[in-house]
Amino acid sequence: SQKIEQNSEALNIQEGKTATLTCNYTNYSPAYLQWYRQDPGRGPVFLLLIRENEKEKRKERLKVTFDTTLKQSLFHITASQPADSATYLCALDEMDSSYKLIFGSGTRLLVRP
Amino acid sequence: ETGVTQSPTHLIKTRGQQVTLRCSSQSGHNTVSWYQQALGQGPQFIFQYYREEENGRGNFPPRFSGLQFPNYSSELNVNALELDDSALYLCASSPGGSSSYNEQFFGPGTRLTVL
Repeated sequence: SQKIEQNSEALNIQEGKTATLTCNYTNYSPAYLQWYRQDPGRGPVFLLLIRENEKEKRKERLKVTFDTTLKQSLFHITASQPADSATYLCALDEMDSSYKLIFGSGTRLLVRP
Repeated sequence: ETGVTQSPTHLIKTRGQQVTLRCSSQSGHNTVSWYQQALGQGPQFIFQYYREEENGRGNFPPRFSGLQFPNYSSELNVNALELDDSALYLCASSPGGSSSYNEQFFGPGTRLTVL
């Protein structure tokens, strides 16, 4: 079955820098991949979706790339702010089950002022 | 437009008891999915309901069951609670049919503690 790997160690960066988070998957290439943000004690909030035939997607300060050869997605936050501090989750569909989302364990981002 | 709501926010039960968690989907959404999130982990898919029918299920035992009502609200029932059932239970709704290709709109979750 599909396995998703996200860096379990927190990413600590200075305000204004670009944060880059990694999502690797181990098996088949999904039809799409989603990124969510989760704050402590709250439900995840959808950020971006990228399809398998898309290389890159942007939304304001966010950028997602999808490399099906490397089996990897990168999530970038440019000009990071302390308010961007949160856990970021990567999620993708399971083969033959478009309804079922598989989530990674998330990477915690800390942006220092 | 009202977002996804869940009740209760917190719950404490003892082993062997039964629990019912509730979820109201976002207006216009006919699909509801339930997830279990243990501390430090990502959400794990339990099952999905589409137009009152179970549309798919994750690797959870039958003591996890659910319902969806005509107004698309939903319940998650867990029987014979075990200590490992302690987690944040998340409900997510989505528009446009039974595919999770759509973004998921999550509720705030119910924190269940089993003693």
